[in-house]
Amino acid sequence: DADVTQTPRNRITKTGKRIMLECSQTKGHDRMYWYRQDPGLGLRLIYYSFDVKDINKGEISDGYSVSRQAQAKFSLSLESAIPNQTALYFCATSDQLGTDTDTQYFGPGTRLTVL
Amino acid sequence: GEDVEQSLFLSVREGDSSVINCTYTDSSSTYLYWYKQEPGAGLQLLTYIFSNMDMKQDQRLTVLLNKKDKHLSLRIADTQTGDSAIYFCAEASNYQLIWGAGTKLIIKP
Repeated sequence: DADVTQTPRNRITKTGKRIMLECSQTKGHDRMYWYRQDPGLGLRLIYYSFDVKDINKGEISDGYSVSRQAQAKFSLSLESAIPNQTALYFCATSDQLGTDTDTQYFGPGTRLTVL
Repeated sequence: GEDVEQSLFLSVREGDSSVINCTYTDSSSTYLYWYKQEPGAGLQLLTYIFSNMDMKQDQRLTVLLNKKDKHLSLRIADTQTGDSAIYFCAEASNYQLIWGAGTKLIIKP
């Protein structure tokens, strides 16, 4: 079974709809991240969480919100989707930064299209 | 803010060596990473190098780090069609990873 799972894998929605993307991990990591990937722009950090009570805005948090329901679950919401939020969204987890490695483990991605 | 730059495309012939370059700005980065993204898949860690190292070799992969110039490179020897992917450079900075835009490696027969 995959260590980091994302649901749904694909979603098409209309402008103005509320969308929730979910991420679950079985790695036991404290740190979780949401990124979006756009062609030619690489990965941009939306939000990150270092533990259940800690939520931080990333580079491009406007228009998004998150919820860390448990150590293993981190969901991303688009309250009112707009077309320029069409992208590939990745969830990632990591163990403690600054130790042996800061390796981030990625989910398979959610392809979101906003019409 | 901190930045990581890499070219968007690299085209090589099958069997040749591929060299993917990356420059970064945070001189205090402790770790630098190379991730690989195959078509339709998430990112997977390929290799990493600690900032006090100049070189790291792992089978067909060689990572070179020039701290003075803040330059990181990934060499893939004997490039195969299975190496077709997007390769991301990332630096650890201020408890986050700062990502390059990714280099798409195109293999010509």
